[in-house]
Amino acid sequence: EVQLVESGGGLVQPGGSLRLSCAASGFTFSSYWMNWVRQAPGKGLEWVANIKQDGRERYYVDSVKGRFTISRDNAKNSLYLQMNSLRAEDTALYYCAREGGRGYQYFQHWGQGTLVTVSS
Amino acid sequence: DIQLTQSPSTLSAFVGDRVTITCRASQSISSWLAWYQQKPGKVPQLLIYKASSIESGVPSRFSGSGSGTEFTLTISSLQPDDFATYYCQQYDRYPWTFGQGTKVDIK
Repeated sequence: EVQLVESGGGLVQPGGSLRLSCAASGFTFSSYWMNWVRQAPGKGLEWVANIKQDGRERYYVDSVKGRFTISRDNAKNSLYLQMNSLRAEDTALYYCAREGGRGYQYFQHWGQGTLVTVSS
Repeated sequence: DIQLTQSPSTLSAFVGDRVTITCRASQSISSWLAWYQQKPGKVPQLLIYKASSIESGVPSRFSGSGSGTEFTLTISSLQPDDFATYYCQQYDRYPWTFGQGTKVDIK
């Protein structure tokens, strides 16, 4: 069974940093693109970033470019999101999501999410 | 960026009704479209990918169609478990984007 478990969320002041983690199990982690998707309270879904199987390609939504960095450790079956210069508008539930396979970038499996709150 | 516009934003229906949700893309995305269902406080669940392929385990009352810029999600006979918010998502060009969502509630 595919499992994705996020951690690392919390309350942080504007301008602060946070590192999210996603522990994956139940599939060959190194064979899939991985994504971060977020959802602000009461709002819709927003894709944030993704990373290729070998980590050599990474893509971001414009609003986080230069502030967020996605990375992975295939030996630890883990995905990360380093978030710097956090803003109030980054407040959201952050989901780790796995692609459908063979590079098809829909989100077949999701974690339960970790909540990030940016507030003074 | 590719904009996805869902209509309607809210839909009220009876159990047993046939329900159709439309997703329009601001430019052609071929068939690179997925649909998700999200219930309050829950994780989104994949329903349909590549516009019309149904995800394993999803009830057959759900179907998707369309290509290019216009897509539909149809629920052939609405069940109590189907009251939720539905999102479309394109994966043709970065950044991947979602529609704003369609909330289906009980009439």
